[in-house]
Amino acid sequence: DTGVSQDPRHKITKRGQNVTFRCDPISEHNRLYWYRQTLGQGPEFLTYFQNEAQLEKSRLLSDRFSAERPKGSFSTLEIQRTEQGDSAMYLCASSLGQTRSYEQYFGPGTRLTVT
Amino acid sequence: GNSVTQMEGPVTLSEEAFLTINCTYTATGYPSLFWYVQYPGEGLQLLLKATKADDKGSNKGFEATYRKETTSFHLEKGSVQVSDSAVYFCAHQGGSEKLVFGKGTKLTVNP
Repeated sequence: DTGVSQDPRHKITKRGQNVTFRCDPISEHNRLYWYRQTLGQGPEFLTYFQNEAQLEKSRLLSDRFSAERPKGSFSTLEIQRTEQGDSAMYLCASSLGQTRSYEQYFGPGTRLTVT
Repeated sequence: GNSVTQMEGPVTLSEEAFLTINCTYTATGYPSLFWYVQYPGEGLQLLLKATKADDKGSNKGFEATYRKETTSFHLEKGSVQVSDSAVYFCAHQGGSEKLVFGKGTKLTVNP
């Protein structure tokens, strides 16, 4: 069990550029979640997948955001035309099981800074 | 809507002091409740959880009891250590898969 990994750990980009983040969940975990955390706040849910199906998206996930999990393993989160307000820590989590109370294991996060 | 309210931080205590971090929630139905901890430079880790009313979650000397009548899940520890210095997040999982987090409470324990 190597834990949830995220890449890159830090990303600095200019406003208007596109960025893509990758998340590798714990192997055999069929659920994968994306959250966003800004300074001084708790994480906020963005979206989640069960296997390759994206089952829920938050209103926070504007048209500029897209997430995929094409083979039910790793996932990518892309932000197009980045804005300064997108600066945040993007967290990925995964869980195993069919019920809500299974623990979500979090990765270390990708810190995005938009200049 | 669904939300979690935690006591404002930061909280500074001396080693061996008693800790309480208050957490209340609003949710429909019977959510599962969690405390997550984030140590400096590390990712979020589950500290403890409770899935139904009157359940007590416990781990590493920390405890929290699911109180449906007061919609609360306060975190307590009888004797904190310097190594408990971290940010603590209360969260609930209601009608969907997502976790709804509070803003976090930063705890600093001095020797």
